[in-house]
Amino acid sequence: EVQLVQSGAEVKKPGESLKISCKGSGYSFTSYWIGWVRQMPGKGLEWMGIIYPGDSDTRYSPSFQGQVTISADKSISTAYLQWSSLKASDTAMYYCAIGGSPYNWFDPWGQGTLVTVSS
Amino acid sequence: EIVLTQSPGTLSLSPGERATLSCRASQSVSSSYLAWYQQKPGQAPRLLINAAWTRATDIPARFSGSGSGTEFTLTISSLQSEDFAIYYCQQYYMWPLSFGGGTKVEIK
Repeated sequence: EVQLVQSGAEVKKPGESLKISCKGSGYSFTSYWIGWVRQMPGKGLEWMGIIYPGDSDTRYSPSFQGQVTISADKSISTAYLQWSSLKASDTAMYYCAIGGSPYNWFDPWGQGTLVTVSS
Repeated sequence: EIVLTQSPGTLSLSPGERATLSCRASQSVSSSYLAWYQQKPGQAPRLLINAAWTRATDIPARFSGSGSGTEFTLTISSLQSEDFAIYYCQQYYMWPLSFGGGTKVEIK
């Protein structure tokens, strides 16, 4: 079964750093793209960026360029989303999802990681 | 950037009724590079339709997609209790990829 399992919920303070993970299984991790999507509380879905774990080719949505870093460690089939200095406005659910290319639908999705940033 | 506008924002219908959801793009989505997702409360989105009209694996036949260019439609022919959820369209023709704002289908 193709599956993405994300790391657990996080509670952080403004200014702290954070790295959340997304582990793939049941498929060739280096042959498919992994995208990251933000969903703020009660709001819709927003594309953040995508990575190809095979060669770490990474593309960012302009809204998120410079705000987050997407990476992957193919040796452990895991993709990451990280922040160097969190803001309260980063409070959201974050999903990872598998795609065949940067210009593709995404399926399946991970279960989501809730990030709460509060002083 | 392609902006997707979904309408209506909320659709109030009874089980058994037909639901018609619209997704309008700010510019042409060539090759019908458009997908539809369903999201239930507390769950991740699930792919329903890709390439504008191709149902994803295990998606019931009551879900159908249509359209091209800038106008796309998701139709649920006869609403079941498990279909009450939020539906999002997504274009993957142009970077950055983008989602519509969603249509909530609620029980009337």
